[in-house]
Amino acid sequence: RKEVEQDPGPFNVPEGATVAFNCTYSNSASQSFFWYRQDCRKEPKLLMSVYSSGNEDGRFTAQLNRASQYISLLIRDSKLSDSATYLCVVKDNDMRFGAGTRLTVKP
Amino acid sequence: GAGVSQSPRYKVAKRGQDVALRCDPISGHVSLFWYQQALGQGPEFLTYFQNEAQLDKSGLPSDRFFAERPEGSVSTLKIQRTQQEDSAVYLCASSLRPSSGDYGYTFGSGTRLTVV
Repeated sequence: RKEVEQDPGPFNVPEGATVAFNCTYSNSASQSFFWYRQDCRKEPKLLMSVYSSGNEDGRFTAQLNRASQYISLLIRDSKLSDSATYLCVVKDNDMRFGAGTRLTVKP
Repeated sequence: GAGVSQSPRYKVAKRGQDVALRCDPISGHVSLFWYQQALGQGPEFLTYFQNEAQLDKSGLPSDRFFAERPEGSVSTLKIQRTQQEDSAVYLCASSLRPSSGDYGYTFGSGTRLTVV
């Protein structure tokens, strides 16, 4: 079993749609959690950290459920520029990545 | 420098050839990480340095892979006798503080290695 598992996607949504990505992790002792965004042929870039209380950054909302070992990312009012692969990341002494979920937002 | 710099950007190697990939972390960053990203997959952890000390090399897939950071700044990932399965993007990341903690890392643009 992989340490971090994500919805494989791809997700194809129209502009303005709301889309949610899910992620589960296996190590209950994991301390920190992130979502990274990766554009085609580019490096991963930090999108946002994920906190137990839930956190929001504009159209993006991240949630963490430690009891279920579950992380989510919600994107509201999708833009064409949101098209990318979204990587779920769990950190102990180093970061462990999920395989990523590909999102395509269409006009 | 302003960001993490990796070179070369692309590398084509014949099977059996040795390669060396370079990473220049952000100046003053203590921690340095190497990841391997195969097509369609997320980055997979290879190894971690804190200054010049290699604290974790559990992700290196075989003894053909070797990494060093002798002066605690620039790092080199060496792959000996390359195989086709080594074809991937090799990403380097650095952070200002030691690895644990509630912060992410900054990645370089990667080296795309193709073994033919």
